[in-house]
Amino acid sequence: EVQLLESGGGSVQPGGSLRLSCVGSGFNFGDFAMHWVRQAPGKGLEWVSSLSWDGGIIGHAVSVEGRFTVSRDNARKSLFLQMNSVRVEDMALYYCAKAWGPYHKDGFHVWGRGTRVTVSS
Amino acid sequence: NFMLTQPHSVSESPGKTVTFSCSRSGGSIASTYVHWCQQRPGSSPITLIYEDNQRPSGVPDRFSGSIDRSSNSASLTISELKTEDEADYYCQSYDGTNWVFGGGTKLTVL
Repeated sequence: EVQLLESGGGSVQPGGSLRLSCVGSGFNFGDFAMHWVRQAPGKGLEWVSSLSWDGGIIGHAVSVEGRFTVSRDNARKSLFLQMNSVRVEDMALYYCAKAWGPYHKDGFHVWGRGTRVTVSS
Repeated sequence: NFMLTQPHSVSESPGKTVTFSCSRSGGSIASTYVHWCQQRPGSSPITLIYEDNQRPSGVPDRFSGSIDRSSNSASLTISELKTEDEADYYCQSYDGTNWVFGGGTKLTVL
């Protein structure tokens, strides 16, 4: 069974940093692209970032460009999201999702349970 | 870039059939695949349809997807509605650089 487990969420002050992690199991992690999607309280889903199977192709939403960086460690079956210069509007539940294929244009297959980021001074 | 527009809410009775629309503004609906996910209250999203009309294993055939070039929109149809289908439904598509999500449709099963 494909499973994704996010961690690293918590409370951060505006302007601060946080690093989210996602560990995959039940599939060959290194063969698939991965995504980060977030959901602000009471709002819809918003794409944040995607990364191809080898980390060679990366995409970030305009809202996080230059502040967030996605990366992966296939040996550790892990996906990361480094969040810098965090803003109040970044407060959300962050989901990790496995793609259907190896490229970041490949859609969302399985979603994790999410890790919550709270931004408050 | 394009936008995906979904109706805010839909209501229907158990046993009936409901169809959600996802209208694309900017470019053809057929130029990139449309995908659909379901999010029940308090739960993570679940993929229902990928690549316009493909169902992942485990998703009942009550759920089906299609695209309509004439209206430049995609549709998700749920037949034989059950109370457990009450959830938010999101369409999404890739614009060549970014992923675009529709705003979601809240389904109420009365």
